[in-house]
Amino acid sequence: DTAVSQTPKYLVTQMGNDKSIKCEQNLGHDTMYWYKQDSKKFLKIMFSYNNKELIINETVPNRFSPKSPDKAHLNLHINSLELGDSAVYFCASSQGRSLRNEQYFGPGTRLTVT
Amino acid sequence: GQSLEQPSEVTAVEGAIVQINCTYQTSGFYGLSWYQQHDGGAPTFLSYNALDGLEETGRFSSFLSRSDSYGYLLLQELQMKDSASYFCAVRDTGSARQLTFGSGTQLTVLP
Repeated sequence: DTAVSQTPKYLVTQMGNDKSIKCEQNLGHDTMYWYKQDSKKFLKIMFSYNNKELIINETVPNRFSPKSPDKAHLNLHINSLELGDSAVYFCASSQGRSLRNEQYFGPGTRLTVT
Repeated sequence: GQSLEQPSEVTAVEGAIVQINCTYQTSGFYGLSWYQQHDGGAPTFLSYNALDGLEETGRFSSFLSRSDSYGYLLLQELQMKDSASYFCAVRDTGSARQLTFGSGTQLTVLP
């Protein structure tokens, strides 16, 4: 069973387009996250979402918007894509009450903007 | 804000022991985590230290000194499959429980 899944795995698109990445977790976790990993492997938190509370990293452009239809899903919508958005995007989940805050990551979506 | 420093690269041979250090500066601190990421793969959780001392999980151990804002990951009996990037991370003390990751250490295990 896949714990955290993302679709699509690869996404190639042109500048200016709008795209979405879907994420689902079947672990029963109450907190989900989106990370961006750049070409230098720097892993940066973009959003966390817990019980309808959205925490946004202040450096994330407002072209990025997370949408959570329910506790098991956290999708990422990106408007007006730019070349600098090219990266691998990881979804993750955790149980918020857990002190360890062990996060489970999805397989990633490699986004290439041309 | 939070910042973490770890070496960018470490190389060792099979069967050896390697230590990956991590120093951090945080406005609040809950604990230090370690994640492993193979090329093309997703980060996977290795360990978590909230208190000073050594935590052992098989061939991997993790150490924390809160007074020194320092921790390390110790990998023993290195195997080729241990070649990967290793990230230390600290958790935000706010409700978001967000993780701030270090820049990662690329470990290469040679035969």
